[in-house]
Amino acid sequence: EVQLVESGGGLVQPGGSLRLSCAASGFTFSNYAMTWVRQAPGKGLDWVSVISGGGGITYYADSVKGRFTISRDKSKNTLYLQMSSLRVEDTALYYCGKHLGADIILPADFWGQGTLVTVSS
Amino acid sequence: DIQMTQSPSSLSASVGDRVTITCRASQAVSDYLAWYQQKPGKIPKLLIYGASTLQSGVPSRFSGSGSGTDFTLTISSLQPEDVATYYCQRYNSAPPTFGQGTKLEIK
Repeated sequence: EVQLVESGGGLVQPGGSLRLSCAASGFTFSNYAMTWVRQAPGKGLDWVSVISGGGGITYYADSVKGRFTISRDKSKNTLYLQMSSLRVEDTALYYCGKHLGADIILPADFWGQGTLVTVSS
Repeated sequence: DIQMTQSPSSLSASVGDRVTITCRASQAVSDYLAWYQQKPGKIPKLLIYGASTLQSGVPSRFSGSGSGTDFTLTISSLQPEDVATYYCQRYNSAPPTFGQGTKLEIK
């Protein structure tokens, strides 16, 4: 059974940093691209970042480029999102998602339950 | 970036109705188009990808069509459990943008 469990969210002040983790199980982690999507309270889905199955290809939304870094650890079956210079507008529920295959040009077919990031002074 | 525009933003329909939601891309995306369903308080669920391929386990009353810039999600006979917000997403290149969502309610 595919499982994705996010962690690392919390309350942080503007300008602060957080690292989100997404522990994956139930599938061969390195065979699938992974993505982060966020959803602000009462708002729609907002794509954040994607990483290929091998980890060599990454992309970011313009709104987070230069502030967020996506990475993955094959040995730990874990996806990460390092977030720095956080802004109030980064407040959202952050979901990790598993793609249909290793290629980033595929949609995500499974999502975790999300971890809440609140940026506030 | 390619923008995705859904219409309508919300709709109300009766059980058994045929419901259609449209998604328009600002540039052609071939058939790299997915539809997601997000029920209140739940995680998104992939319904359709490749514009018309039904994801495993999704009821056959859901169907998708279109190519290029114009796409449609159709529910052939609306059920009470279909109350949700529906999002299209193009994924032909990064960033894989979502539409703004269509909130579907039962009349």
